[in-house]
Amino acid sequence: GEDVEQSLFLSVREGDSSVINCTYTDSSSTYLYWYKQEPGAGLQLLTYIFSNMDMKQDQRLTVLLNKKDKHLSLRIADTQTGDSAIYFCAESTMDSNYQLIWGAGTKLIIKP
Amino acid sequence: EAQVTQNPRYLITVTGKKLTVTCSQNMNHEYMSWYRQDPGLGLRQIYYSMNVEVTDKGDVPEGYKVSRKEKRNFPLILESPSPNQTSLYFCASSPGGQETQYFGPGTRLLVL
Repeated sequence: GEDVEQSLFLSVREGDSSVINCTYTDSSSTYLYWYKQEPGAGLQLLTYIFSNMDMKQDQRLTVLLNKKDKHLSLRIADTQTGDSAIYFCAESTMDSNYQLIWGAGTKLIIKP
Repeated sequence: EAQVTQNPRYLITVTGKKLTVTCSQNMNHEYMSWYRQDPGLGLRQIYYSMNVEVTDKGDVPEGYKVSRKEKRNFPLILESPSPNQTSLYFCASSPGGQETQYFGPGTRLLVL
C-alpha cells in the first residue's frame, strides 16, 4: 500500500537552513503537501506542489520534488525560533481516491 | 471568518460512556474528514465525507461513527469509548477531496 516516511526529528541552529525530507511510494501521486503544526495548534498548510513540477519557491520556503526517487524536501532558509513545529508531508493519489496519505511528522528543533 | 470549529477542545471521560465531538465549517465545503493523531504515527484518517449523506471509512474506523445530515456539520460519535481511543482528534474540510484541507483546532480526548 501507499506509504509516506519522514524522520521524526531535525535539529538546526537559528539562522541556518533546515531541510526536511520525505519519501513516498505511490507513483500515482498528484499533489504533495507540507503542513505545519505549532505546539497545541491544528495543522496549517504551508505549501504544496503538483507532481509534474520539480520545484516551488515561496519566500523562505523551497520545495524540491524528485519524482524518479520519490523524494520530496522542504527547505526553510534562515530558520527562526518561530519555525519550531512539527512538519507533516502528505500526498494525494489517484489510487487512494485522492485521500491524503500522511507521514508521521518531523519535529523541527531550533538551537540558539 | 472562514474556519473549522470543534467542540469540545478537551474531554475526559470513562470507558463505555457515549460521547460526540462536533465539527462545523462555514466555508460551504463539500468534503469533510476526521483524523486522529498519535505520537510517532502522524495523522490517521477515521472517516470522511464527500458530500451530504455520503460517508466512507478511512484507515482506522473501528469504534467510531459519523453522520453528515447537513453540509456544515460532521460529528464524530464514540458509542462506547475505550482507553485506546485516547488521542488528539482533528476535523478538516476542503472544497473537494483533492484540494487543500483546512483543519480545526483539535480535540484532546482522554478515556479512563
